Order: sequence, then structure tokens, then C-alpha cells
Amino acid sequence: EPEVTQTPSHQVTQMGQEVILRCVPISNHLYFYWYRQILGQKVEFLVSFYNNEISEKSEIFDDQFSVERPDGSNFTLKIRSTKLEDSAMYFCASSEVTGSGYTFGSGTRLTVV
Amino acid sequence: ELKVEQNPLFLSMQEGKNYTIYCNYSTTSDRLYWYRQDPGKSLESLFVLLSNGAVKQEGRLMASLDTKARLSTLHITAAVHDLSATYFCAVDSDNFNKFYFGSGTKLNVKP
Repeated sequence: EPEVTQTPSHQVTQMGQEVILRCVPISNHLYFYWYRQILGQKVEFLVSFYNNEISEKSEIFDDQFSVERPDGSNFTLKIRSTKLEDSAMYFCASSEVTGSGYTFGSGTRLTVV
Repeated sequence: ELKVEQNPLFLSMQEGKNYTIYCNYSTTSDRLYWYRQDPGKSLESLFVLLSNGAVKQEGRLMASLDTKARLSTLHITAAVHDLSATYFCAVDSDNFNKFYFGSGTKLNVKP
């Protein structure tokens, strides 16, 4: 079964450093998303992306965050200057069409120290 | 803002018992999704419910959707330990740009 692949699985970074989280969505999917989950809490929407543009972003997705699809396969989330409160599990997801659910990646656990 | 409320938030049950998890939401969405999450793992799609009255079953789990009541249920029949996980429901936003997730129900099935 096709998978959404995320790397790295775990990243530890110092506060103020930049991190890039990488995702390879399912190849024929057109809609891409980032969500995050602070330990033990609910899953929160960050951003949706379609046709090389951000479709929608949440209040969490401030100027420190950016997304990019640098080639035909990767979808990245960059946090420019990490804060302690950015520590969370970050999930990438993709879908072929809207309104039919997503496939989530395995997640990247980001720890900011 | 849309609200998605699950209850209970925690559920401890014995193997062999039946129970139901409830998911209420506050929009007119006609579709709802259930996901399972094991500790430290990803979100695994369980059910996609795309219309009022939709019912889907997989093994010991059965999900239903009542869009008029804005309610979905996830029914567990004769629970087994392997079902221990956190279960999330989610609904689409009106423009389908995102999901709103419930807070999750942490299920612990005791042998």
C-alpha cells in the first residue's frame, strides 16, 4: 500500500536553530498538509498546500514557518527559529482529492532544547 | 470555530465487553473520519463515512454517522487487548482545506 514517508523520525535541535522536516507524499496525490500533535494532546492543523500554493494556514503557522515543494516528490516544512513550544510530533499528510480523507505519514518527533 | 467533541476521553474496559465512543461536531459536514493512533505512532485511517446514515464495519469496530444529529459513533464489540489505542474522529472544514480533530479517546482494554 502506498505510504507517506517522513524524515527524520526524530530530531533534536537547540532553541533558535532552523529545522527542515521532510515528507514524500504518495505520488499521485495533489493535496498536502502538515499537522502537529503536542504530546498527549489533540492533532492541530498547520497548513494545507495545493498547486504549489498554500491553501490555508492556521494561527500557529506564523512567519517562522514555511512550506515548499522543491521538486515533484518532496514536501518540506521549515521552522526558521525554533522555540521550546515547537516541540511536538509533526505529521505530513496527502490526499488525491479533497473530502475523502488523508493518508498520514509516520511523523517526525521534534524536540527543542 | 468548528468544535469536535469526543467522549469519553478515557475508557478502560475488560476484554469481551462492548462499548461506544461518541463524536459530536458543530458544523453541517456530511462526512467524518475515524483514525487510530498507537503511542508514538502515526494516525491510521479506520473509517471514512461520507454520507448520512453511513455505517462501516471492520472486525470488532463499527462506525456510523448521523449528519442530522451531527453525531458519529464508534462501537466496539467484544473488545480485545489489541484494540488498546487512542481513537480520533475528524471532520472536514467547509472548504475541505483542513480537518478538525476531536480530542481523542484513549482506550485501554484490560486482559
